[in-house]
Amino acid sequence: GAVVSQHPSWVICKSGTSVKIECRSLDFQATTMFWYRQFPKQSLMLMATSNEGSKATYEQGVEKDKFLINHASLTLSTLTVTSAHPEDSSFYICSAPPDGGTNEKLFFGSGTQLSVL
Amino acid sequence: GDSVTQMEGPVTLSEEAFLTINCTYTATGYPSLFWYVQYPGEGLQLLLKATKADDKGSNKGFEATYRKETTSFHLEKGSVQVSDSAVYFCALSAEASGNTPLVFGKGTRLSVIA
Repeated sequence: GAVVSQHPSWVICKSGTSVKIECRSLDFQATTMFWYRQFPKQSLMLMATSNEGSKATYEQGVEKDKFLINHASLTLSTLTVTSAHPEDSSFYICSAPPDGGTNEKLFFGSGTQLSVL
Repeated sequence: GDSVTQMEGPVTLSEEAFLTINCTYTATGYPSLFWYVQYPGEGLQLLLKATKADDKGSNKGFEATYRKETTSFHLEKGSVQVSDSAVYFCALSAEASGNTPLVFGKGTRLSVIA
């Protein structure tokens, strides 16, 4: 079946460094990908919608200069947390719907646990 | 805006116990409702869904009924197994298109002990 590969699964970094998270659809094309974030005991919150070949659409309150999204191909979107700080520590997960699919066909990565020291 | 409220976890049950995880929603119109499951180290997987009032979604012994009058979509299973240990997410989608992001609840961690 369709698979979305997300890595790394977890990362620990020092404050001030940048971290890149990759989300790759392995056997289908995805013009659109979604990036979510989950803080402990909170909901999965949509951060941004990544669009291949164009700028990402960010949700209110999400800093686009801090969370850089690049959707350079139909199978790969990356989220870069720039100058990470401890408050960015969270669980990040991507979702990729196959092009032309319905809301029943949303495939998720396994998530990335980011810890900023 | 749309929202999903899900019972807090964690939930710990003995094998063969009955499971209920409550989920209520707030939305304009008539959303589609979903339960996703995340097993350790894996991505979220669709467990079941319902697209209109009174629909019952079912899969792997789990069931949930779309109740418009109570805006609920509670997940139930009559007899849980150790392999059901996972995090369960209730979610809604306002549109049928796959290009519409889901709105999630907080997730409920279920641990089933032998």
